[in-house]
Amino acid sequence: GAVVSQHPSWVICKSGTSVKIECRSLDFQATTMFWYRQFPKQSLMLMATSNEGSKATYEQGVEKDKFLINHASLTLSTLTVTSAHPEDSSFYICSALEGQQASGANVLTFGAGSRLTVL
Amino acid sequence: RKEVEQDPGPFNVPEGATVAFNCTYSNSASQSFFWYRQDCRKEPKLLMSVYSSGNEDGRFTAQLNRASQYISLLIRDSKLSDSATYLCVVSRYSGAGSYQLTFGKGTKLSVIP
Repeated sequence: GAVVSQHPSWVICKSGTSVKIECRSLDFQATTMFWYRQFPKQSLMLMATSNEGSKATYEQGVEKDKFLINHASLTLSTLTVTSAHPEDSSFYICSALEGQQASGANVLTFGAGSRLTVL
Repeated sequence: RKEVEQDPGPFNVPEGATVAFNCTYSNSASQSFFWYRQDCRKEPKLLMSVYSSGNEDGRFTAQLNRASQYISLLIRDSKLSDSATYLCVVSRYSGAGSYQLTFGKGTKLSVIP
């Protein structure tokens, strides 16, 4: 089946630094990738939808200048948390859609997630 | 009304029990439906796609009712390993090659020995 690789799986950084998280679809092309954030014991929260070759669409309340998303190729999307602060500590998960059928018959595959801790 | 709503949890059931989860969606343009399972501190993983005709995979049965705009997941003969959070996901094509997926908040299931 489809595999999405997310890296790094765990990162600890100092407050004020920037962190880049990569999301790769290994055996399929993903026109659309999604970035989520999940705080402990809470549900997934969609941050943004990333479309290859165009600007990401951010959900309400998510700062696009804080969370930079780049989807430069059909197999790679990156999320950069700029000037990270302790409140940005969270579990960040990417996902990619396999298949682009207009009928919507497509499957979402998730990366393993990146746990960010900002000190 | 939220776009996707799930049963509030948690569900605590004994081993061997049958448990059912329901999920309602508000957008009639929704096209694809899924149940995902998420274990603690892990990423969600696809459990089942949900088809209009209903589908079954071992102890798991998923149903879709487009008229009433809800989907369901039935787990028979619950195992301890079924303990997880179950997420309802609704997808619709939003044009220009883009899809919108909406997740329910999830229902936590704990299967008790």
